[in-house]
Amino acid sequence: DAKTTQPNSMESNEEEPVHLPCNHSTISGTDYIHWYRQLPSQGPEYVIHGLTSNVNNRMASLAIAEDRKSSTLILHRATLRDAAVYYCILRGGGAQKLVFGQGTRLTINP
Amino acid sequence: SQTIHQWPATLVQPVGSPLSLECTVEGTSNPNLYWYRQAAGRGLQLLFYSVGIGQISSEVPQNLSASRPQDRQFILSSKKLLLSDSGFYLCAWSVTEKLFFGSGTQLSVL
Repeated sequence: DAKTTQPNSMESNEEEPVHLPCNHSTISGTDYIHWYRQLPSQGPEYVIHGLTSNVNNRMASLAIAEDRKSSTLILHRATLRDAAVYYCILRGGGAQKLVFGQGTRLTINP
Repeated sequence: SQTIHQWPATLVQPVGSPLSLECTVEGTSNPNLYWYRQAAGRGLQLLFYSVGIGQISSEVPQNLSASRPQDRQFILSSKKLLLSDSGFYLCAWSVTEKLFFGSGTQLSVL
């Protein structure tokens, strides 16, 4: 499985945008970029995924670099409930499994 | 709508005792099923996944085993628990690109 690299932790303020980076320099052409987040004492929840084009949903936006070697998860207006560990994962097309790394622990200050 | 049930929520077991954790999914057919473990303060480790009844793939050698006796039932077992088996166990399912997680079982082996 191609690897991803994320900062161990990030901090932001409430009601400000948050940009969570992810590097995946060995990504293959069929790898989708997935983001999940895990709140304390809960299972991870799906946030967003994409292949080449930028993606938007009600939770976040995903900006994918033109060479696909990096991506950024954007929370447009952080709230305290967004404090979680965010995982960036590559999943090959048709692959059955999802392998999680260490993720980025996001702290939101009031 | 689809739901996933995982029980028990917490479990305290002595070293050397057996283990059985059950996970069931409702509202979907032929899902992929997964067992993950998260040690305290660590990332998620994929233990087993299954693409169909009786089909189990093991990701890491360990003291645990998994079975899928029915389409929407996934069981994690051990004959003799070790201290190192302590952790947060999560069941998950998918039929598309997204993974959906259960609420987890916090296992403490003493």
